[in-house]
Amino acid sequence: AQSVAQPEDQVNVAEGNPLTVKCTYSVSGNPYLFWYVQYPNRGLQFLLKYITGDNLVKGSYGFEAEFNKSQTSFHLKKPSALVSDSALYFCAVRSFKAAGNKLTFGGGTRVLVKP
Amino acid sequence: DTEVTQTPKHLVMGMTNKKSLKCEQHMGHRAMYWYKQKAKKPPELMFVYSYEKLSINESVPSRFSPECPNSSLLNLHLHALQPEDSALYLCASSQVSGTGSYEQYFGPGTRLTVT
Repeated sequence: AQSVAQPEDQVNVAEGNPLTVKCTYSVSGNPYLFWYVQYPNRGLQFLLKYITGDNLVKGSYGFEAEFNKSQTSFHLKKPSALVSDSALYFCAVRSFKAAGNKLTFGGGTRVLVKP
Repeated sequence: DTEVTQTPKHLVMGMTNKKSLKCEQHMGHRAMYWYKQKAKKPPELMFVYSYEKLSINESVPSRFSPECPNSSLLNLHLHALQPEDSALYLCASSQVSGTGSYEQYFGPGTRLTVT
């Protein structure tokens, strides 16, 4: 079985400050980890993924994430948040052993960036 | 082009109606997905098609009937729905690999209201 936890329902940050959205996972075997963002009344938009290799992954719109195998975490980060980063963020995991291409999503974290 | 299109954007239907949702992608992806998303919740997988064949059905009620006419199109036929089926229905697509390392690309969704 595979699972994802996003421990914070909401993260508030001032514009220009660093943004961190937390994610921990549980899978059998090596994980494939993904971050998606969803703006109101829109579909999910892919930000970045970790498959293998460098633990620091860089993605779209200045976002990056660090894979930490010992802590089973994949936290999303942005050095300087923008008001336009306010959205719902989902972490997702898939293990090599999972059937099909089935992703398991975390519960989501709402990010509110205040001017 | 990384676009997945969905029609209609909004749909209101009665419990005795029959309607269909449509999804299209031209990225050459051979895996396509239907998800159901309730407000402020993560997407819930409904169906997965791989090479135009149904590979995953997440025990979805028979009032939802998927169809994949070709590698670019995915339909979801709706009949005798219940008010609790009201949700945002998301279509996604991805490349297919034995390891499942490819990200999914999501459409904007169809907002369905069952009256």
